[in-house]
Amino acid sequence: DSGVTQTPKHLITATGQRVTLRCSPRSGDLSVYWYQQSLDQGLQFLIHYYNGEERAKGNILERFSAQQFPDLHSELNLSSLELGDSALYFCASSTHLGTEAFFGQGTRLTVV
Amino acid sequence: AQSVAQPEDQVNVAEGNPLTVKCTYSVSGNPYLFWYVQYPNRGLQFLLKYITGDNLVKGSYGFEAEFNKSQTSFHLKKPSALVSDSALYFCAVRDRVNFGNEKLTFGTGTRLTIIP
Repeated sequence: DSGVTQTPKHLITATGQRVTLRCSPRSGDLSVYWYQQSLDQGLQFLIHYYNGEERAKGNILERFSAQQFPDLHSELNLSSLELGDSALYFCASSTHLGTEAFFGQGTRLTVV
Repeated sequence: AQSVAQPEDQVNVAEGNPLTVKCTYSVSGNPYLFWYVQYPNRGLQFLLKYITGDNLVKGSYGFEAEFNKSQTSFHLKKPSALVSDSALYFCAVRDRVNFGNEKLTFGTGTRLTIIP
């Protein structure tokens, strides 16, 4: 167990809908990262938050947004969902001076 | 920009034989290098990392990796493969500098299958 908790584990929703994925980092970790894993794109970095502030953006669509709350948990919001958004979404966390990131089990999103 | 290449999509090894999963990287400065493993329907598990120092780093489950700066490689190795090592392996790189740029860039993954 990495200590990173993601909910829900599975999500099935229709095109055009909006969903929220939640991540609780390891205790004490200030950094939260979101990644998308799909068959055609592999593991893609979406966004990084550090202590509540956005630090870096990757290949994140404008329909997607994220935030990190004062208690350090993070949410990834996906809107106007398309079939191509179906993927495994991972959250990872690391310490302030840490090097490796620890990953949650992921949320498998299926858009139908 | 940083990048990682895993040239083999699939590696098959007989149980008990040594295994190698290849990784090469590109980064502007000095790298942090990582290996992660993903089992079916599971998240990525951290295996090992190279930060500095000894070029041979040891990690979990008997895995080790060798950092070669001149060849920009970080191959994952294990002296004797187990069937339970069958999984998807990812190499990742991170730029050593630039606070605020701690994202990991992953390779495309190598599926390792250990044949009993």
